[in-house]
Amino acid sequence: ILNVEQSPQSLHVQEGDSTNFTCSFPSSNFYALHWYRWETAKSPEALFVMTLNGDEKKKGRISATLNTKEGYSYLYIKGSQPEDSATYLCAFSGSNDYKLSFGAGTTVTVRA
Amino acid sequence: SAVISQKPSRDICQRGTSLTIQCQVDSQVTMMFWYRQQPGQSLTLIATANQGSEATYESGFVIDKFPISRPNLTFSTLTVSNMSPEDSSIYLCSVEVSGGGSSYNEQFFGPGTRLTVL
Repeated sequence: ILNVEQSPQSLHVQEGDSTNFTCSFPSSNFYALHWYRWETAKSPEALFVMTLNGDEKKKGRISATLNTKEGYSYLYIKGSQPEDSATYLCAFSGSNDYKLSFGAGTTVTVRA
Repeated sequence: SAVISQKPSRDICQRGTSLTIQCQVDSQVTMMFWYRQQPGQSLTLIATANQGSEATYESGFVIDKFPISRPNLTFSTLTVSNMSPEDSSIYLCSVEVSGGGSSYNEQFFGPGTRLTVL
C-alpha cells in the first residue's frame, strides 16, 4: 500500500479568494500523478495528469505543480467560485501500469 | 474520454443480502476496474475486471465476497455478497483509455453507487 497524503482534509474559502492544497507521495519509483475533482453524485472528473518533475498544468482557474524529487504536488484555485466546491483527489502511480493509489481527498467549500 | 453509467446509483440493503452493481461504458475498453471508498477513507482498488477470464483481485479482496463478471468490452458487474454494515461505501467502476501516441493513459470513472447496509 503506497502512502499518498492530502492536506488539509477540508477547507472553507470565501468566494473570490484563492487557495491551494497539497498531495504528498513516495518520491521513489514515480511514474505519474493525477488530480481529480469529485462533486457529490457525479463522476470524479480528471483534471490533470503530470509525469515530469517541474510540470505545471493549468485548466481555467485551476492549476497544479509537481515536484517528484521531494514527492509533492500543489493544486491551486484562483478566484474561487461556488462551483469549485468539491472534493479534490490526487492519485499516484509508481510504475508504467494502471494501478492508482489515491489520497483521501481535500474537500473544498466555497462560501458565497 | 469515456462515458460511464452505473446502476443503481444508491441502495439501502439489509445485512446478509447481496447487491449487484452494473457498469456500462459507451465504447469498448480493455481495462476496467472496480473501486470502493469507505467513509473517510481513500478510493481503494478492489479488482481489475478481465474480459473472458477471472478478475484480478487486490490484496484484502476475494472473489467469494466480491464476484465480478465481464461478459464483453463495454459491461461489467460487481456483486457485494453477504453484506455487513462495514460494506457501506461508494462503489465506482472505472476504465482506462489510451492517451494516444506517447500520452499517458487516463482513467475515467462512473458516478458511483452509494451503498448503505443496515
